[in-house]
Amino acid sequence: QVQVVESGGGVVQPGRSLRLSCAASGFTFSNYGIHWVRQAPGKGLEWVATISYDGSHSYYADSVRDRFTISRDNSKNTVYLQMSSLRTEDTAVYYCAKFLLPTDASLGNWGQGTLVTVSS
Amino acid sequence: IQMTQSPSSLSASVGDRVIITCRASQGIQNDLGWYQQKPGKAPNLLIFAASNLHSGVPLRFSGSGSGTDFTLTISGLQPEDSATYFCLQDHSYPRTFGQGTKVDIK
Repeated sequence: QVQVVESGGGVVQPGRSLRLSCAASGFTFSNYGIHWVRQAPGKGLEWVATISYDGSHSYYADSVRDRFTISRDNSKNTVYLQMSSLRTEDTAVYYCAKFLLPTDASLGNWGQGTLVTVSS
Repeated sequence: IQMTQSPSSLSASVGDRVIITCRASQGIQNDLGWYQQKPGKAPNLLIFAASNLHSGVPLRFSGSGSGTDFTLTISGLQPEDSATYFCLQDHSYPRTFGQGTKVDIK
């Protein structure tokens, strides 16, 4: 079955870096774009970044542009979110989500999320 | 694009019809989705392209609208519908969510 699974979360000090992974299975990974979405404790959802099926296009929220980088390795069925210069306000559960269809960017399948805590 | 969702919360009885609205700050054609999130869980897609029911979603959920004004309707609220609902515009980047509507069962 279609599955995306996040990993890599943890506790990190402000200013440090962390890399999240989103491992996919159950579908032709190289045909689908992937989103990252985050949710701070007790808050709503915030879209973070998106990468196209082949990695040729990427998009970022203003709040993370120039600090976060989304990438993918289609040979490993994995998308990465490299986070640098982390701030306390980056504390959140980070979800990855697969495009509903190759041509429809709705968030069709979500992972269970991975918690990132930025604290000294 | 700013997405304004209302109400922020509501309480309704089993069997009631519930309507949640989202307004976009500019026209987004029908590029809007609705998501349901239960406590401690990841969100799930309910509706895509404003009015298309995602696979496996009960028929009591429906979406409508185009341009700037959109609605999610739950026709015949069920206990398992207690959740927070979000709209998301996927017309352009950066994507933007509505603030969410928490639905409680009386």
